Amino acid sequence: AQSVSQHNHHVILSEAASLELGCNYSYGGTVNLFWYVQYPGQHLQLLLKYFSGDPLVKGIKGFEAEFIKSKFSFNLRKPSVQWSDTAEYFCAVNAMNYGGSQGNLIFGKGTKLSVKP
Amino acid sequence: NAGVTQTPKFQVLKTGQSMTLQCAQDMNHEYMSWYRQDPGMGLRLIHYSVGAGITDQGEVPNGYNVSRSTTEDFPLRLLSAAPSQTSVYFCASSYSPRAGPQHFGDGTRLSIL
Repeated sequence: AQSVSQHNHHVILSEAASLELGCNYSYGGTVNLFWYVQYPGQHLQLLLKYFSGDPLVKGIKGFEAEFIKSKFSFNLRKPSVQWSDTAEYFCAVNAMNYGGSQGNLIFGKGTKLSVKP
Repeated sequence: NAGVTQTPKFQVLKTGQSMTLQCAQDMNHEYMSWYRQDPGMGLRLIHYSVGAGITDQGEVPNGYNVSRSTTEDFPLRLLSAAPSQTSVYFCASSYSPRAGPQHFGDGTRLSIL
């Protein structure tokens, strides 16, 4: 079965530090990839997504992610984090044509990011 | 404002009770879905719908029913509540299932005693 792994459970950074959150998935076919963010007490918001084309995807709030097919990875990056980036980040994968369930988005367990001012 | 509206925001039930979580969107999105969020588990898909009259099961469908009689509404029914269903429930919508959920509701925090 397909799965999504987020390597870090909790990341603590100081403001202005660079961020990279890991995400790996297990599925050999075509995938759509997503990163979502959940600020404390709020619902999820879509940060960015990859369907096809340029493997470097830019999203909102200065975030970007790179799809590396050979590594089954879709890591999230930000050059300089701010205190307001404190949130939980979720990677998600939609394995196309997997069991015919196009709507079956699989989420990772999330990475909590704490940014110290 | 356009978006996904969930009601109620909080609910406490006793084991064995039934209830319906409401979800409505006004963006004319075809794809709607229900997730539950549990600590350390991320989000898990319960049921989803790709249009009125069409629903399908997700990863954790047991104990839940859905229906989609209109494009706007996608209620989630708990048939006989169990403590294992204590969770935060999110409804989401999108113009296409391939696009993934684009808009989430504010969530329903449900406790089963």
